[in-house]
Amino acid sequence: EIVLTQSPGTLSLSPGERATLSCRASQSVAGSYLAWYQQKPGQAPRLLIYGASSRATGIPDRFSGSGSATDFTLTISRLEPEDFAVYYCQQYGSSPPYTFGLGTKLEIK
Amino acid sequence: QVQLQESGPGLVKLSETLSLTCSVSSYSISSGYYWGWIRQSPGKGLEWIGSVYHSGDTYYNPSLNSRVTISLHTPKNQFSLQLTSVTAADTAVYYCARAMVVVVFDYWGQGTLVTVSS
Repeated sequence: EIVLTQSPGTLSLSPGERATLSCRASQSVAGSYLAWYQQKPGQAPRLLIYGASSRATGIPDRFSGSGSATDFTLTISRLEPEDFAVYYCQQYGSSPPYTFGLGTKLEIK
Repeated sequence: QVQLQESGPGLVKLSETLSLTCSVSSYSISSGYYWGWIRQSPGKGLEWIGSVYHSGDTYYNPSLNSRVTISLHTPKNQFSLQLTSVTAADTAVYYCARAMVVVVFDYWGQGTLVTVSS
């Protein structure tokens, strides 16, 4: 089973700043099959990025994903007030189980 | 806009079977995509339970494989989850969702809390 480690656990930033979130896999993720989700309190997760770098439908271009093999990054170029949430990475590279990281909480500084 | 809605008991007794249904609107589940279940608990975070392709092929998390069944009910445009022999560890918010690929979920239900209790 591939274990995904997200860092930092909590990130405190101000609106307008740049956010960089990391997701590290315990072994190489085949095909860079990695997704990112955003979750706000009381809501379901929302797909942001799939295939490591492809934005899902309707996702603003301030969200970008990059990386391959074991190291992946989600970048939010300029934080908007609505971006403060918990972010999860998920790998779907090979056979099940398809696992999620434990999340990074992005909070307002 | 595709919409999904979970329904089912919010309380299940120890060792019994958890059964949930997901009703889908604005898209026919027999037309395409994968349809899946994910759960979220404070102790284990997000966990993929399993997915079913529109053809009926199923994919399960190996850790739950022996207890899980996901089925399509195309006349009602619904799909379901059955999880047998539940324990307290199965207490979670359960989400149904549509997947572009087996587990890349682009539309989600609002989630339903299921508590396992004696």
